[in-house]
Amino acid sequence: AQKITQTQPGMFVQEKEAVTLDCTYDTSDPSYGLFWYKQPSSGEMIFLIYQGSYDQQNATEGRYSLNFQKARKSANLVISASQLGDSAMYFCAMRGMDSNYQLIWGAGTKLIIKP
Amino acid sequence: DTGVSQDPRHKITKRGQNVTFRCDPISEHNRLYWYRQTLGQGPEFLTYFQNEAQLEKSRLLSDRFSAERPKGSFSTLEIQRTEQGDSAMYLCASSLDPGQGRETQYFGPGTRLLVL
Repeated sequence: AQKITQTQPGMFVQEKEAVTLDCTYDTSDPSYGLFWYKQPSSGEMIFLIYQGSYDQQNATEGRYSLNFQKARKSANLVISASQLGDSAMYFCAMRGMDSNYQLIWGAGTKLIIKP
Repeated sequence: DTGVSQDPRHKITKRGQNVTFRCDPISEHNRLYWYRQTLGQGPEFLTYFQNEAQLEKSRLLSDRFSAERPKGSFSTLEIQRTEQGDSAMYLCASSLDPGQGRETQYFGPGTRLLVL
């Protein structure tokens, strides 16, 4: 069975500092994808970044980067130079071929940026 | 706006009533997914469509839930005889066919349902 684990229920970070949100996964599927989404209090799920299991390089999208360590089955999200608008819930998700491409989700991490 | 849209954004209903939600996906996306999210949890998969065909339905989904995508464009999710436990955020997402490469799911704003 596939599983996503986010061990940080909540985090407080000072504005302009970098922050790392942890995500570990479990799958027996050799081909899978890993996603990070941001959910502000408004409720909309906003796509941030994607990493494929066969991608050789870590994904980056602006201030977001994904620290992909395949052997350790971890896919941590790094946000550089945090901003007040980064305060939100952050979800790690995975899809695998044996799940018919539906996303399996972690429980999320609530990030609060302090001014 | 070419993103995923959902209607209504909020719905309050009395227990036992039927409700229907609509989702309009990104126009070129042939996959459409429905998820349910309760407070403090990650989304839970309900069902998905490839064009007009409903290909998978969660085993956790009650028979009171039904979804359609009649012409392969918009989709509706109906809940019959609502119960208080149905109160949640209902999220719709769409994506390209995974066979075409990246299959990132893009989400709509969600419909918040409160059953009294």
